[in-house]
Amino acid sequence: DVQLLESGGHVVKPGGSLRLSCAGSGFDFSNYALTWVRQAPGKGLQWVSSISDSGDSIHYADSVKGRFTISRDTSTDTLYLQLNSLRADDTALYYCVKGVGRRPLSYFDHWGQGTLVTVSS
Amino acid sequence: QSVLTQPPSASGTPGQRVTIFCSGSSSNIGSNIVNWYQHLPGTAPRLLMYSDNQRPSGVPDRFSGSKSGTSVSLAISGLQSEDEADYYCVAWDDSLKGWVFGGGTKLTVL
Repeated sequence: DVQLLESGGHVVKPGGSLRLSCAGSGFDFSNYALTWVRQAPGKGLQWVSSISDSGDSIHYADSVKGRFTISRDTSTDTLYLQLNSLRADDTALYYCVKGVGRRPLSYFDHWGQGTLVTVSS
Repeated sequence: QSVLTQPPSASGTPGQRVTIFCSGSSSNIGSNIVNWYQHLPGTAPRLLMYSDNQRPSGVPDRFSGSKSGTSVSLAISGLQSEDEADYYCVAWDDSLKGWVFGGGTKLTVL
């Protein structure tokens, strides 16, 4: 079974940094695009960033461009999201999501349970 | 404000048919496939419909999808209490170079 296990969520002060991790198992990690999607409290789902299977194609939502960095390590089957210059409106449950293909354009078929990031002074 | 527009809520009684609409533009729904996700609070979202009208294995045929121009719809027939959830439409946007979500529709089974 496909499993995506997020970790790294924490309470952090505005302006601070955090790195989220997502460990994948049950599928050939290196052959699929991966995505981060977040949900702020009481709000809907919002796309954050996507990365292709090889890491050569990366896209970010305008709201996080220049502050967040997505990366992946195929040696450990782990997806990362580096969050810098955090703001209160970055507070959300962050989901790790698997695509059905290699490119970021691939729709999502499996989601993790999420890791909670809270930005508060 | 979401790029894709959905009604914030919908409701129906058990056994009824309910339709949720999602509208976008030529850069997203008009030129790319649309997918639907079902989200129950406290759980991971679940793929409900892909490529506009295709059901993944395990999704009952009570769920159906359709597309016309820059709008899509998700129909649920024979409504059941377990269908009470949030529903999101999602599509790739060629102009924004990213995924765009609808704001979500909270379905209540009365």
